[in-house]
Formats: sequence, C-alpha cells, structure tokens
Amino acid sequence: SQQGEEDPQALSIQEGENATMNCSYKTSINNLQWYRQNSGRGLVHLILIRSNEREKHSGRLRVTLDTSKKSSSLLITASRAADTASYFCATDGSGGSNYKLTFGKGTLLTVNP
Amino acid sequence: EAQVTQNPRYLITVTGKKLTVTCSQNMNHEYMSWYRQDPGLGLRQIYYSMNVEVTDKGDVPEGYKVSRKEKRNFPLILESPSPNQTSLYFCASGPMWEQYFGPGTRLTVT
Repeated sequence: SQQGEEDPQALSIQEGENATMNCSYKTSINNLQWYRQNSGRGLVHLILIRSNEREKHSGRLRVTLDTSKKSSSLLITASRAADTASYFCATDGSGGSNYKLTFGKGTLLTVNP
Repeated sequence: EAQVTQNPRYLITVTGKKLTVTCSQNMNHEYMSWYRQDPGLGLRQIYYSMNVEVTDKGDVPEGYKVSRKEKRNFPLILESPSPNQTSLYFCASGPMWEQYFGPGTRLTVT
C-alpha cells in the first residue's frame, strides 16, 4: 500500500511565487525524502529530513516534518519555470522494514513564465 | 561519471516472451532497487537488494524476478510478461537516504 500521499495532485503557479506541497504518511518512519522528476525521466534526490528533525533548508527548498501528524511539506520559494516537474515524497522504515522505500503518487508542479 | 544505467531504454514485446532489463551502477552502492511507475499510481517498489545475494520483495513483486550476483548489477527478469506489466521501470541505487535513479525503461507488452 502507498505510504506517502502528496497533496495537491497538481499545482499551477506563476514564476516568482512560492509553491507548497504536502505529504502524509501512515506509519512511523526513519527518514523522509523529497525527489523531483522531469517528465518521464529518472528521479533526482532533493532533500532528506530525519524523523528527529523538524525543519531543513537547502537553497530555495524548505522541508518541514511533523511526526505527530505524520506529514511533511516542501516549500519552493521564488519559483522558476525550470522548477516545473513532478515532486515525490519517499519514506523508509515503514512497516518495520528499514530497507523498503515507499514513494507517494506525486504532485505535478507547473510554473508559468 | 557516477551513474546508473539501464538497458534497453525502450522495449516492445509480446505476451509470454521472457525478457531481462539490465541495471548497472558504478558507485559501489550496496543497496539497489527496482520500481515501476504507472499513471495515477506513482512509483511502486518491485524488489530491492541490500547487498550481493540478498534480495527482498517490495510492494509489487508478482511476475518479476531479480538476482544480485555482483555488486554493480541488478537485473530485472520478467519470465512471462503480460500486458499489465506495461509500464515505465526505474532502477535505483544508493544509501537509503539518497537514491540515484537510472533513466528508465519504457516497456510495452502486447
């Protein structure tokens, strides 16, 4: 079963605006990661947040994690047309397995010039 | 250049004809895995391998086999492909906290 579920499924914004995507999961985790996928290509790792962390930053990315609500958010600030892609969260440690990595269904972000 | 390679990139085949999709990485990673991506379903893990000769099922292993005889290679085998295995397949390697993905193999089974 899917562990991570992203919300919204699709998001369309103007260049320069901020984009926020959310991820919810069902069971306890070790880590939560965010990945980006340009159309039909392989996923690219963006950022990792561990279960004992609440917030991390990397360039224009900000990730938060709320383990009590079993949710995470990815904020992309000052978006650019090149940020247009699908974004996925991934969790590990679910279901008692430290080696299974479970991805959500993704959020399709479109940044209009 | 550090990379994960997959072959073939595109494949059209017929039901029941055995096929193998190869995956190779040059980063000396212990962990490797296979995913399939379908519209509306996201990525689902098929099999993963923690090290040579150590593999385990992911969420959707039915109809697939894998082997890990060498650290760098992790082939995906479809013994008798069926149309419901038409999908985009990704191989990945790396530590659990940062996976490196291959470019994908688009498989069509008619």
